[in-house]
Amino acid sequence: SQQGEEDPQALSIQEGENATMNCSYKTSINNLQWYRQNSGRGLVHLILIRSNEREKHSGRLRVTLDTSKKSSSLLITASRAADTASYFCATAKAAGNKLTFGGGTRVLVKP
Amino acid sequence: SAVISQKPSRDICQRGTSLTIQCQVDSQVTMMFWYRQQPGQSLTLIATANQGSEATYESGFVIDKFPISRPNLTFSTLTVSNMSPEDSSIYLCSVLIRSGETQYFGPGTRLLVL
Repeated sequence: SQQGEEDPQALSIQEGENATMNCSYKTSINNLQWYRQNSGRGLVHLILIRSNEREKHSGRLRVTLDTSKKSSSLLITASRAADTASYFCATAKAAGNKLTFGGGTRVLVKP
Repeated sequence: SAVISQKPSRDICQRGTSLTIQCQVDSQVTMMFWYRQQPGQSLTLIATANQGSEATYESGFVIDKFPISRPNLTFSTLTVSNMSPEDSSIYLCSVLIRSGETQYFGPGTRLLVL
């Protein structure tokens, strides 16, 4: 069964706007990872945040983690049409362990 | 990171047949995993491919249906046996490098069973 739930399931925004998606999980974790998938292809790793971290940045991406609420958020700033994709969170109970994926958020960025 | 290739990239198969998917990595990795992504769904772990020993399967997946081999540190195969239309999915392998935490994914194999 999936550990994480993501919301919204789908998001439609205009180019230049920010996109925020949330991920909730059920059990304690070692780390949480965010991935992007374009049109049913392979997954591209975006960012990893460890359980002792609260926020990480990578370019236009900002990830937060609240272990007390068992939730994480991914913010994409100044979105571009090329950001159109499905975004998945995945949790690992231990470092180097298997991942449990959330349901994903489909993001459409309109030019 | 690692460069991961999968063969075939896609296939259309008849029910009752079997398909073997290959996953090749350009460097030695510690862990290899196989995932399934059914149409419009998220990823579900099938099994952990163990080098030189039997794979470790997740609940709901069995060796007779999804036999896995991992003869060395850079290569693994997943076979989808006695296929039915419900097996139509994208199958992805992923790897962990050394003691890293980040899982890298292959491009996936898109399977359609008629």
